[in-house]
Amino acid sequence: GAGVSQSPSNKVTEKGKDVELRCDPISGHTALYWYRQSLGQGLEFLIYFQGNSAPDKSGLPSDRFSAERTGGSVSTLTIQRTQQEDSAVYLCASSLGTGYLTDTQYFGPGTRLTVL
Amino acid sequence: GESVGLHLPTLSVQEGDNSIINCAYSNSASDYFIWYKQESGKGPQFIIDIRSNMDKRQGQRVTVLLNKTVKHLSLQIAATQPGDSAVYFCAENMPLYSGGGADGLTFGKGTHLIIQP
Repeated sequence: GAGVSQSPSNKVTEKGKDVELRCDPISGHTALYWYRQSLGQGLEFLIYFQGNSAPDKSGLPSDRFSAERTGGSVSTLTIQRTQQEDSAVYLCASSLGTGYLTDTQYFGPGTRLTVL
Repeated sequence: GESVGLHLPTLSVQEGDNSIINCAYSNSASDYFIWYKQESGKGPQFIIDIRSNMDKRQGQRVTVLLNKTVKHLSLQIAATQPGDSAVYFCAENMPLYSGGGADGLTFGKGTHLIIQP
């Protein structure tokens, strides 16, 4: 089947505006993850969903960031009052959510966010 | 500080040679490690993984070695090809909560592998 998809692929916004980033996981994957990748950096874990629940929100950088997942499928990451330091590629991944250690995460292509 | 890191930001090799990309980790409790390949403009792609009860695991043209004594991980790519040009990340498991479920990953900054013709 299809892999993880994300939209939009690119988003340019003005400082102070709100943005919504969307992730469609692989069908049947119950676990979903959001990461942020700044220019030339590794991936920074943001949040993880098991089904519609997010048991760990400690990775969100500030209260301007929020995420939700509905129907155990699509997830949206919302950034309110965007700042220039929010500029990055936001990556989504999904996995079967088996609870096994070796539950492989599959990544989408990412959304490149630029805050002017 | 960062839990997982890499020794070199850029590695240049001749086409056909073997490549070795290194990674050091600091969390001795980590028990699962993964190598990802990221090509320009794409998301990371799973290459190979290894559990802490293993020292070596082989895939197609790739081998991962784990030295738990010195907390070192390496990825060996045999007969490097132009298509191997990418940034390679090592990642370690990060248990998210004790109730079970999949684990989040801690990534290093990555090594950019450049293939010289």
